[in-house]
Amino acid sequence: EVQLVQSGAEVKKPGESLKISCKGSGYSFSTNWIGWVRQMPGKGLEWMGIIYPDDSDTRYSPSFQGQVTISADKSISTAYLEWSSLKASDTAMYYCARLPATPATGWFDPWGQGALVTVSS
Amino acid sequence: QSVLTQPPSVSGAPGQRVTISCTGSSSNIGAGYDVHWYQQLPGTAPKVLIYGNRNRPSGVPDRFSGSRSGTSASLAITGLQAEDEADYYCQSYDRSLSGSVFGGGTKLTVL
Repeated sequence: EVQLVQSGAEVKKPGESLKISCKGSGYSFSTNWIGWVRQMPGKGLEWMGIIYPDDSDTRYSPSFQGQVTISADKSISTAYLEWSSLKASDTAMYYCARLPATPATGWFDPWGQGALVTVSS
Repeated sequence: QSVLTQPPSVSGAPGQRVTISCTGSSSNIGAGYDVHWYQQLPGTAPKVLIYGNRNRPSGVPDRFSGSRSGTSASLAITGLQAEDEADYYCQSYDRSLSGSVFGGGTKLTVL
């Protein structure tokens, strides 16, 4: 079974750093793109960016370029989403998901269970 | 303002047919990029409902169907059931953004 398991909920203060994870299993992790999607409270889905674990080729949405860092460690089948200085506006649910095709044609399947990040002083 | 435009809400009675539109532009749907649809039940992660414009993953009932024409796409749900009440999102690639985009989402209410 193809599965993505994300790290747990986090509560952080503004200005703190954070790195959340997404571990894949049941498929060739290295040769499938993995993406991150943000969902702010009560809002829709936002495509943040994707990474190809085999060579770490990374693409960001212009809205998130410079705001977050996406990385992956193919040796442990894990992708990461990282912030160096959190803001209250980063409070959201973050999902990782696999792209079983190319970035231009691919859809997200499956999705991780989501990681709730709360940033509050 | 999302690059892909969906109606904020649609509704229908059990057994009826509803459609959800997804309107894009010449840099995404109109450029020939595939459209995918997701269902998000309350409190859960999204799941793919339709991929590649009209393909259903195994396990998705054939009550759900997708189509694409010009700069738009549509998701149709026939034989509406209470369990279909959820948020629905379209997704496509946008060449001017060099990345994918989601529609703003549509809340389906089963009356």
